Parts: sequence; structure tokens; C-alpha cells
Amino acid sequence: EAGVTQFPSHSVIEKGQTVTLRCDPISGHDNLYWYRRVMGKEIKFLLHFVKESKQDESGMPNNRFLAERTGGTYSTLKVQPAELEDSGVYFCASSRTSGSFSYNEQFFGPGTRLTVL
Amino acid sequence: AQTVTQSQPEMSVQEAETVTLSCTYDTSESDYYLFWYKQPPSRQMILVIRQEAYKQQNATENRFSVNFQKAAKSFSLKISDSQLGDAAMYFCAYRATQGGSEKLVFGKGTKLTVNP
Repeated sequence: EAGVTQFPSHSVIEKGQTVTLRCDPISGHDNLYWYRRVMGKEIKFLLHFVKESKQDESGMPNNRFLAERTGGTYSTLKVQPAELEDSGVYFCASSRTSGSFSYNEQFFGPGTRLTVL
Repeated sequence: AQTVTQSQPEMSVQEAETVTLSCTYDTSESDYYLFWYKQPPSRQMILVIRQEAYKQQNATENRFSVNFQKAAKSFSLKISDSQLGDAAMYFCAYRATQGGSEKLVFGKGTKLTVNP
């Protein structure tokens, strides 16, 4: 079974430019999550998709960030326009559907390291 | 809001010895999950061990075990017989069991070095 994949692995852009990150979850995983780790800080939750719907987007920092998950398969996270503080590692994770009182492990991708100059 | 604190930015251990990584958390919930994740250099994060808060017994996975102190809100990870492959960033994480949110709340991480 292929794991969670992310593309690109690294991206270096100028302030004001646009970048789109992609995440391909494990096949059959309805849940998809985006997290971000700014250097030296905690990994922070950005948002959670269930299939193509946004279940929880409470962690999205501002309206420069747009996440989509067309067809409930892969997801993209677009940053437009990028600012210096957006630099960090963006992680994607996926999991199977959980019951109300059960847990399904979140499997993480390798991350995309974004550097905004 | 829930928070997770890892007070040790870096730790080191000699190969074959035992090391304990600390984690404390804050929550008003009575039931939740706690996790330790491991991220080796340039590789993806993987789950090491999981603890359900309603379980009094500490979780164990081979050489990895936890000391879960619910009243103290403490969740430390013990690695026994440390191996070179244990070198990694270790993240402690929390997840509520109810309320609909499945997000993980992470600490800042502890970088573990294993010396041969």
C-alpha cells in the first residue's frame, strides 16, 4: 500500500508569489489533514477534509490560504500571495473514517518544505 | 484550548541505554488520546505509541513504553535498549475523543541523538 505522498518536496519562492502544494492520501482514506510546522515551533493543524468537504478549517491562518480536495481524492493547498512568515514544513496526513468513539491512525506524508524569500 | 509541552528540545543517549522523553499537556476533557510520533531525518513521521486516557494501564510497544499520569497530565516516553535507528525528532500529541475535531495538537518536539 502506497503511503501519503506530497509534492513538491521543496519549494523556494519570492514574497508575493503563489505556490500550490499537493497531497495524495492513502487510497481509500476519506480523511485528509493539513498541518504546518514553522521552524522551532509546534506542528499546527490547518484543516481537515472528509472526502471533498471541509470538516474543520479552524487552523487556517488567513484568507491567503486556500485548500481544495476535488472529488475527495488528492488535495491542494495554495498560498497566494506568499509572505515570509509562511515559510515552514507543510505536512499532509490521511486516515480512514472513524466511528464516534474509535480512532483511526493518521498517516503522515514526508512534508513540503516551503521557503519564502 | 488544549496544549502540549515538551520541555526538552534535545536529548542524547548511549546506544543500548534507556532514555525518557517528557511531555505534559493541558485539557479539560476527561477522555482523549495521547500519542508519540517519531520523525527520522528526512523521513516521514510515524506513530510510535498511543494511549487512551480511560485506560489506566500504560501502553507498551516493544522497546517503547509510556508513563501516563492522568492526574498530573504527564505522558513520558521511555525508550529501552536504545538503537542508532531511534535517532529522530519525537513529537508528543493529543487528540480529543469527542466533539468532532480529529485534529492532533503537537508539542514542539524533542530531538533525540543516539551515540554509538
